[in-house]
Amino acid sequence: DTEVTQTPKHLVMGMTNKKSLKCEQHMGHRAMYWYKQKAKKPPELMFVYSYEKLSINESVPSRFSPECPNSSLLNLHLHALQPEDSALYLCASSQDFGQTYEQYFGPGTRLTVT
Amino acid sequence: GESVGLHLPTLSVQEGDNSIINCAYSNSASDYFIWYKQESGKGPQFIIDIRSNMDKRQGQRVTVLLNKTVKHLSLQIAATQPGDSAVYFCAEIPNAGGTSYGKLTFGQGTILTVHP
Repeated sequence: DTEVTQTPKHLVMGMTNKKSLKCEQHMGHRAMYWYKQKAKKPPELMFVYSYEKLSINESVPSRFSPECPNSSLLNLHLHALQPEDSALYLCASSQDFGQTYEQYFGPGTRLTVT
Repeated sequence: GESVGLHLPTLSVQEGDNSIINCAYSNSASDYFIWYKQESGKGPQFIIDIRSNMDKRQGQRVTVLLNKTVKHLSLQIAATQPGDSAVYFCAEIPNAGGTSYGKLTFGQGTILTVHP
């Protein structure tokens, strides 16, 4: 199984809502990532988890809160978002040893903040 | 042809032609590079990678060339097919090997359109 799954595929939320994005992989990867991608732009790294510990936070606003409950799951909790946070949110995972840094990406969640 | 400006660079080719997509990177500490393909509505898909101790690597129909002197990376696609139409991103990782994960920085991307 070389698949990263993300739910939901689409999400529309108001600025006062609380929602969560979910990501799952069963490849035994110990590094997991959240990226944000705006239209016609490259993905931008938000968070990196390594061995279920937060390793990188790329100065992301606190209205985005990541969580890694176990080695297969990664969540992104959303609260009080702004319309400019509307984007494609991508999850990825990679092996934990340095033979390759290939990151496997999920299909993304298309988020619209109204 | 290829154009660079305020929009994503674009490359239009005929089916069967060879395509060359270029990428300039800025971080001289980057020692691992990946090419990704992203089709509309999908996440990026790994194509090929190369470490900085190599200058060329070949895959199935694809070749990546690395010129560290001028910090330039290219992706060559042989016998391009309509299914190759997508946005192509180069990505770099600085100081790879120092951590158990890769902090990818993506380039701006190139739109490849293949005409039948």
